[in-house]
Amino acid sequence: GEDVEQSLFLSVREGDSSVINCTYTDSSSTYLYWYKQEPGAGLQLLTYIFSNMDMKQDQRLTVLLNKKDKHLSLRIADTQTGDSAIYFCAESGTSNTGKLIFGQGTTLQVKP
Amino acid sequence: DVKVTQSSRYLVKRTGEKVFLECVQDMDHENMFWYRQDPGLGLRLIYFSYDVKMKEKGDIPEGYSVSREKKERFSLILESASTNQTSMYLCASSPPVIAGSYEQYFGPGTRLTVT
Repeated sequence: GEDVEQSLFLSVREGDSSVINCTYTDSSSTYLYWYKQEPGAGLQLLTYIFSNMDMKQDQRLTVLLNKKDKHLSLRIADTQTGDSAIYFCAESGTSNTGKLIFGQGTTLQVKP
Repeated sequence: DVKVTQSSRYLVKRTGEKVFLECVQDMDHENMFWYRQDPGLGLRLIYFSYDVKMKEKGDIPEGYSVSREKKERFSLILESASTNQTSMYLCASSPPVIAGSYEQYFGPGTRLTVT
């Protein structure tokens, strides 16, 4: 079945880079997403990558996709305290209904 | 900007009560979703709807039902609330896949406590 796995917690110091990792099972997923959830809020789309891409960069964010290993990562450069949040990885899977399959979420703690 | 609103941010109900959680979106999206979020388990899909009066079970539909009488509104119903339904409930909407994206837009969530 479709499944997305993430580690639950990451702690970094302000100014360092953060790397959040995700593995997924469905190699036919067209889109892979990163969502951010700040405390007490819903999820907001952070970035996404098409399955035919290896890398996508957007300001401080870099997404790397290794399709062979079904591994997705999100790198945040110069991590700030405002980046403290839960980060969810999601894949589109094979469904054409618009469903996404979410990982467990990685809590990023940024220490000053 | 897409806006998804949920009727309550916090709700406290007693065991056995019937509970209604309402979600409204203003972008004319065909798809709407209800998730529950629990620590360490991520988001689990309860039900989704791809059109008015159409619904499909997600991964954990037991103890829940839904209603979609109008395109913009999707309601989650707990017929008889139980303590194991204490959770954060998130609603989301998205345009049809044919539009070229699976991106979902989320509401702020309802934190439900059942005592």
